[in-house]
Amino acid sequence: GNSVTQMEGPVTLSEEAFLTINCTYTATGYPSLFWYVQYPGEGLQLLLKATKADDKGSNKGFEATYRKETTSFHLEKGSVQVSDSAVYFCALPHGSGNTGKLIFGQGTTLQVKP
Amino acid sequence: NAGVTQTPKFRVLKTGQSMTLLCAQDMNHEYMYWYRQDPGMGLRLIHYSVGEGTTAKGEVPDGYNVSRLKKQNFLLGLESAAPSQTSVYFCASSYLGEGEQYFGPGTRLTVT
Repeated sequence: GNSVTQMEGPVTLSEEAFLTINCTYTATGYPSLFWYVQYPGEGLQLLLKATKADDKGSNKGFEATYRKETTSFHLEKGSVQVSDSAVYFCALPHGSGNTGKLIFGQGTTLQVKP
Repeated sequence: NAGVTQTPKFRVLKTGQSMTLLCAQDMNHEYMYWYRQDPGMGLRLIHYSVGEGTTAKGEVPDGYNVSRLKKQNFLLGLESAAPSQTSVYFCASSYLGEGEQYFGPGTRLTVT
């Protein structure tokens, strides 16, 4: 089946710093790739996605490019804000039939200090 | 359009008690999922359903049962709660088998 490896946190940055959270995957074929965000006390919500190789997903200033050569989907933001403090999860389909199951990375906690 | 809702938001149980967590979605999604989230363990799939009347085991199904009698509802039951089931439980739904999942706000369960 498919798998995902996500950089461990926590990541602590100052406001306006550049953010990168690494995510690499192994998969059969070229599945869709997702980044989810979980704000404190809330459920996960989709941040962005890419459905095919070389696609760039973007939302709220965050970007991630689907790179099949390096099997990566790194999350980036040019200037983080305190409100970006959250846990970020990389995810992709499980790959075993049409079940809709997703494989999630372990999550990376981001703390942004003023 | 409320999306995915979960009831209750918080619950404290004593060991051996039973309870049912309710998940409801109003997006006409076929697929529904129950996860638990524990510190350092990420998200783990408990059970899932690919349509009304169907259920299947996920990664950590022991100690839980589920039912999907109506398309919009997915119930998670604990027949005899144990302290190891102290966790935050999330329900999610999706329209397509390979599509994004929509999550509820979670239920924080403590078993003493």
